[in-house]
Amino acid sequence: NAGVTQTPKFQVLKTGQSMTLQCAQDMNHNSMYWYRQDPGMGLRLIYYSASEGTTDKGEVPNGYNVSRLNKREFSLRLESAAPSQTSVYFCASIAGQGYYEQYFGPGTRLTVT
Amino acid sequence: RKEVEQDPGPFNVPEGATVAFNCTYSNSASQSFFWYRQDCRKEPKLLMSVYSSGNEDGRFTAQLNRASQYISLLIRDSKLSDSATYLCAVSYSGGYQKVTFGTGTKLQVIP
Repeated sequence: NAGVTQTPKFQVLKTGQSMTLQCAQDMNHNSMYWYRQDPGMGLRLIYYSASEGTTDKGEVPNGYNVSRLNKREFSLRLESAAPSQTSVYFCASIAGQGYYEQYFGPGTRLTVT
Repeated sequence: RKEVEQDPGPFNVPEGATVAFNCTYSNSASQSFFWYRQDCRKEPKLLMSVYSSGNEDGRFTAQLNRASQYISLLIRDSKLSDSATYLCAVSYSGGYQKVTFGTGTKLQVIP
């Protein structure tokens, strides 16, 4: 039981390049989330998926898109990376239905130059 | 006003000391409350869920005060290994399970 996994662990992009961050969970959780964490800003929600087949914007969605591919997988895409997107990105999941503890993946450290 | 506020610290305490963190939240509809621990360059990990009656897990005690809208975390007999950032989190169901995190309180336990 791996929990929440993320790939890649590290990435360096040039401004304007695109990439997809992958996230998968094997806990049969319903809801999945993408956060970014910047110094002094805490965790900020980018997008979430309350259940398979649904996605919605969080607090800071601009410049990102998401896909909930199936119940297990939730990907985050940067179409045209900008230096302001340099951050640590965490994927998380919640079981739902009365269980609201969030479980996080190990994170992706992204630098955009 | 931020939805969830924490004193960023750092709290520098000697080994064996007792230390307490508070976290205030602004949304009175909040339903669930948590403390997470985050080590440097790692993901947040759930430390404790906070129940209305308060709960204890070894050296850690969490309490909830709904009237004053804050949660607290008490760490007794601090160990060097307790050095980390402690995040409080508050959630409520508003169409989806929205979880809001504080920015964290940094604890450094010194020998």
